Amino acid sequence: SQQGEEDPQALSIQEGENATMNCSYKTSINNLQWYRQNSGRGLVHLILIRSNEREKHSGRLRVTLDTSKKSSSLLITASRAADTASYFCATDGRYGNKLVFGAGTILRVKS
Amino acid sequence: DAGVIQSPRHEVTEMGQEVTLRCKPISGHNSLFWYRQTMMRGLELLIYFNNNVPIDDSGMPEDRFSAKMPNASFSTLKIQPSEPRDSAVYFCASSLRSQSNQPQHFGDGTRLSIL
Repeated sequence: SQQGEEDPQALSIQEGENATMNCSYKTSINNLQWYRQNSGRGLVHLILIRSNEREKHSGRLRVTLDTSKKSSSLLITASRAADTASYFCATDGRYGNKLVFGAGTILRVKS
Repeated sequence: DAGVIQSPRHEVTEMGQEVTLRCKPISGHNSLFWYRQTMMRGLELLIYFNNNVPIDDSGMPEDRFSAKMPNASFSTLKIQPSEPRDSAVYFCASSLRSQSNQPQHFGDGTRLSIL
């Protein structure tokens, strides 16, 4: 079974709007990572947040982590058409060094 | 810098044939991962290596699948004999170290179709 589960499954927004994707997981974790996958390409690492961190920023990306709720969110501000992609969270936890990926959120940004 | 390189990008073959997928990790990376991605099951870890040694192959579906890493710059994933249910996109990824606080760098995958 998957450790991380994203919601929504799909999201469609207009260029310039913000996009928020959520990830929930089942067991305690050490780290949580977010990845992006463009159609027909491999996954690209976006950001990593450690279990003792609550928020992290990278450019237009903001990630939050709530370990009490076992959830994380990825916010993309001022979205662009080029942000159209699938977004995945990945967690470790009891899997040790292995990452387990969620099912992903498909984001479509309309120009 | 070159990223993770996978070959072939696409493979179409008939059931029962042997399939070999290849991966060149990023130079200097000590860990290598093989994943399979399908619509039904998402992205699944098949096996990972650390310093060329297989560490965890619990995700390998069955004995028809095997993976090797003869040196730090090359790995193969072999399916013999192949079956239609093996159709998927297979990704190779590498990271500097095997710890989960390391970002993984993915290749663009091999899209495998078994007829």
